[in-house]
Amino acid sequence: AQRVTQPEKLLSVFKGAPVELKCNYSYSGSPELFWYVQYSRQRLQLLLRHISRESIKGFTADLNKGETSFHLKKPFAQEEDSAMYYCALRGGNKLVFGAGTILRVKS
Amino acid sequence: DAGITQSPRHKVTETGTPVTLRCHQTENHRYMYWYRQDPGHGLRLIHYSYGVKDTDKGEVSDGYSVSRSKTEDFLLTLESATSSQTSVYFCAIRSGGATQVAGANVLTFGAGSRLTVL
Repeated sequence: AQRVTQPEKLLSVFKGAPVELKCNYSYSGSPELFWYVQYSRQRLQLLLRHISRESIKGFTADLNKGETSFHLKKPFAQEEDSAMYYCALRGGNKLVFGAGTILRVKS
Repeated sequence: DAGITQSPRHKVTETGTPVTLRCHQTENHRYMYWYRQDPGHGLRLIHYSYGVKDTDKGEVSDGYSVSRSKTEDFLLTLESATSSQTSVYFCAIRSGGATQVAGANVLTFGAGSRLTVL
């Protein structure tokens, strides 16, 4: 079985502060990890894939197989980063999501 | 917009009635998914399809059935709606391909269907 855990329902930070959204997973095979984001009144959309190893909108995420984690980080939060963030895992044809973390960036 | 549409976008129904939600894609993707989104639970997989007439259960499939008679359409049916099925339902399509290929295995989501069961 595959499972994704996002322990924080809400993360509130000030503009310019560092951000880390936590994601842990459980899967016996070789996983593919993603971060998706849902901005207000917009569709869910891809933010990052672990395989791409790229930075999008200043966000990065590194897959740590030893700790089974895929935490999302950004050094300096901006107000436009406020959104719901979902971590997702693909194992075979199934794609499962965590419960999501609301990121609120205060000015 | 993004080649995927859901209908209806909003529906109010009564307990015990059947409901069908439709997902239509123009991308010719092989994989299609139905999720429900609930506060505190995030997105939970209901059913998915990996080809015409090929479907499988997700995490919360009880009370739901699906059908895919052609590539472009994936239907989600609530045989007898209950209040616990009040939710926002999202359909998604997935591009296939080798993992290393840019854009492979990325989900594209529909706009969602808000269902209220009274």
